[in-house]
Amino acid sequence: GIQVEQSPPDLILQEGANSTLRCNFSDSVNNLQWFHQNPWGQLINLFYIPSGTKQNGRLSATTVATERYSLLYISSSQTTDSGVYFCAACTSGTYKYIFGTGTRLKVLA
Amino acid sequence: KAGVTQTPRYLIKTRGQQVTLSCSPISGHRSVSWYQQTPGQGLQFLFEYFSETQRNKGNFPGRFSGRQFSNSRSEMNVSTLELGDSALYLCASSHRGGPLGANVLTFGAGSRLTVL
Repeated sequence: GIQVEQSPPDLILQEGANSTLRCNFSDSVNNLQWFHQNPWGQLINLFYIPSGTKQNGRLSATTVATERYSLLYISSSQTTDSGVYFCAACTSGTYKYIFGTGTRLKVLA
Repeated sequence: KAGVTQTPRYLIKTRGQQVTLSCSPISGHRSVSWYQQTPGQGLQFLFEYFSETQRNKGNFPGRFSGRQFSNSRSEMNVSTLELGDSALYLCASSHRGGPLGANVLTFGAGSRLTVL
């Protein structure tokens, strides 16, 4: 089955810094999402982005489906951005998302 | 509109007991998926239901089962609990079109199970 890898596993930033999180997937996908898991465990949907580029405030994401990777950009990071970011992908004809192991982000004041 | 609702939020059980978790999807969503999250294994797919039919199942033993009702609400059951079943169980709903349609998951807050 499809494999999803995320890098880096851990990231520490000063408030105001920018960062790029990467997600590689081993097969063609027709669904891809980025999530932020808050300290209480809830997964918050950031982007549904099987291809192309989207932006939402300080966050943006790009998926290059032909090269099997997706990037999540966080600009001007804030302490509230801390948490774990997950990428999840789903291949055509299946009904299950495979999650990466996540990037744990800590933003220092 | 209301989000995905999971109950109970927290529960403690002992080994050998069974547990039932409930998930109410977003109104109009007919697909419900369940995931288990543990520190060691990360987020793993349990099963997915659409219109009361299980369409896919992850690699979990038969002690893990689920069902979906006609109103799209779903339950999952774990029998003969083991210590390793301690986890955060997450439910997601989706307004899924056909097999190739967009499948955007919205998650509930989760049910945190502790097995003693």
